[in-house]
Amino acid sequence: DSGVTQTPKHLITATGQRVTLRCSPRSGDLSVYWYQQSLDQGLQFLIQYYNGEERAKGNILERFSAQQFPDLHSELNLSSLELGDSALYFCASSPMTDADTQYFGPGTRLTVL
Amino acid sequence: GESVGLHLPTLSVQEGDNSIINCAYSNSASDYFIWYKQESGKGPQFIIDIRSNMDKRQGQRVTVLLNKTVKHLSLQIAATQPGDSAVYFCAENNAGNMLTFGGGTRLMVKP
Repeated sequence: DSGVTQTPKHLITATGQRVTLRCSPRSGDLSVYWYQQSLDQGLQFLIQYYNGEERAKGNILERFSAQQFPDLHSELNLSSLELGDSALYFCASSPMTDADTQYFGPGTRLTVL
Repeated sequence: GESVGLHLPTLSVQEGDNSIINCAYSNSASDYFIWYKQESGKGPQFIIDIRSNMDKRQGQRVTVLLNKTVKHLSLQIAATQPGDSAVYFCAENNAGNMLTFGGGTRLMVKP
């Protein structure tokens, strides 16, 4: 158990809908990262937050957004969902922003029908 | 269980043998590298890391070797056990905080 929690574990929804994925980092970690893992593209970095502020952006679509709250939990919002958004979404956390080990949560499996 | 990739290279080893998983990284400026293990239905689990000022680091039953000249990373697992069966990813950190993952290698341990 990495100490990172994610909810829900599974999510099934329809195209065009909007969903919110939630992540609680390890106790004391200030950085939260979001990754997408699909069968054909492996693990892709989406976005990072550090202590409430956006820190780095990767391959995140404009339909996706995230935020980190004062209690350091983070939410990833996915809107106007398409079939291709079906994937595993992982959250990771680390203490700082520099080169640090990132510890991953168990993931949310999103299925868009 | 859930698969993490349909076209992963696969390494099949006998229980008790040593395993070597290789990874080529892309950015010569990368200064930090991590190996992760991902079991079916779970998130990536940290195994071992190494910084660019080292060429070898040992953990419990695992060793990571870094060859910066050819941009190559390897993970050695001693006395491989059935519980080691998983997909293994290398990741490089080259932008301060963004990890770039390799495609993964599936390790299968035969009893």
